[in-house]
Amino acid sequence: QQKVQQSPESLIVPEGGMASLNCTSSDRNVDYFWWYRQHSGKSPKMLMSIFSNGEKEEGRFTVHLNKASLHTSLHIRDSQPSDSALYLCAASGSSGSWQLIFGSGTQLTVMP
Amino acid sequence: EAAVTQSPRNKVAVTGGKVTLSCNQTNNHNNMYWYRQDTGHGLRLIHYSYGAGSTEKGDIPDGYKASRPSQENFSLILELATPSQTSVYFCASGGRDRDTQYFGPGTRLLVL
Repeated sequence: QQKVQQSPESLIVPEGGMASLNCTSSDRNVDYFWWYRQHSGKSPKMLMSIFSNGEKEEGRFTVHLNKASLHTSLHIRDSQPSDSALYLCAASGSSGSWQLIFGSGTQLTVMP
Repeated sequence: EAAVTQSPRNKVAVTGGKVTLSCNQTNNHNNMYWYRQDTGHGLRLIHYSYGAGSTEKGDIPDGYKASRPSQENFSLILELATPSQTSVYFCASGGRDRDTQYFGPGTRLLVL
């Protein structure tokens, strides 16, 4: 079983709508999360990272983290067709191993 | 933004043949990584390196070797390629510890 689980696998939202993506780690040693975005045929690019409880906002993107449940979520408001991409959640641990463990991703499609 | 390049971008190999994938970064990052990406599995770590001369096994190292001859270059070697190694391979680099990882454009490998 993957240590980082993402849901849903795919998501379709209308242009201007809100997209909500979820990610949970089953590894209790994890304490840092990243969200990467990967457009079709391109390489992943880091979108946001979070390690403190609470939320972090950058423009249309908001990330929440609940460290007790090891759950993070990414919310995209006013979604645009250019937001259509694979969104990958990654986590790393606090035990000295900084390697990222990636989830299998959420494929977001924003319909014009 | 950090610059990571990979070569070749596309490769067709025969079963049992040797394949070398190359990665170069010009940002003086200490850490470099090799991942493979398959549908439904996200990104999986094959090998990584903390600096010139060092290589470490990731989560799925079987069938792969790595070489880090310099700060800038990191290679992934498939001594005896198999069809199960058909995938998209990404190289990434990062400064230290929890620094953002920057990905190269990827190499599509097809093993016949």
